[in-house]
Amino acid sequence: DAGVIQSPRHEVTEMGQEVTLRCKPISGHDYLFWYRQTMMRGLELLIYFNNNVPIDDSGMPEDRFSAKMPNASFSTLKIQPSEPRDSAVYFCASSFQAAYNSPLHFGNGTRLTVT
Amino acid sequence: TQLLEQSPQFLSIQEGENLTVYCNSSSVFSSLQWYRQEPGEGPVLLVTVVTGGEVKKLKRLTFQFGDARKDSSLHITAAQPGDTGLYLCAGPSNSGYALNFGKGTSLLVTP
Repeated sequence: DAGVIQSPRHEVTEMGQEVTLRCKPISGHDYLFWYRQTMMRGLELLIYFNNNVPIDDSGMPEDRFSAKMPNASFSTLKIQPSEPRDSAVYFCASSFQAAYNSPLHFGNGTRLTVT
Repeated sequence: TQLLEQSPQFLSIQEGENLTVYCNSSSVFSSLQWYRQEPGEGPVLLVTVVTGGEVKKLKRLTFQFGDARKDSSLHITAAQPGDTGLYLCAGPSNSGYALNFGKGTSLLVTP
């Protein structure tokens, strides 16, 4: 299995531009998670899906952030418009079952820099 | 949100030394997971502890879950440069379906 695949690995954009991050979870995993990692705040859960349905988006910072999962093999996280404070590493992870019963498998992240 | 506090935040030691890092919370967890993250990569699961007082060993790494299931520790014996990385503990969220992470302990082992 190729694992969780994220693209792009690096993204540099100017403030105000739209940014789209992509994720392909491990086949057969029912849960998909988006996390953001910064030195100050560590790994923060943004949103997660179960069977392609968003379950909890309370971690999404504000309306500029949106996430979709149109099918079991693809998810996107969009930031529009982007701001310098959005600079971070964004991770996608998937799991076979709920987190209390199953480990998370992470992609290698997208490092976003907003200038 | 169930908070997980990890200490120390940073640790720099020489090869061959022993070390212990801690993960503490005021909340009771049904389980805790430990992950290691290397630069440029995502976290990778090391172990899951489930039972209060449980001890699990993974080669030179020993994980313990507190009796009250509020804390956990990771002990590394004879650390090697390959142990360098960010060690994260994580526990189920209130819903149980996601994980909340501590901020991690960044370990540097020098030859």
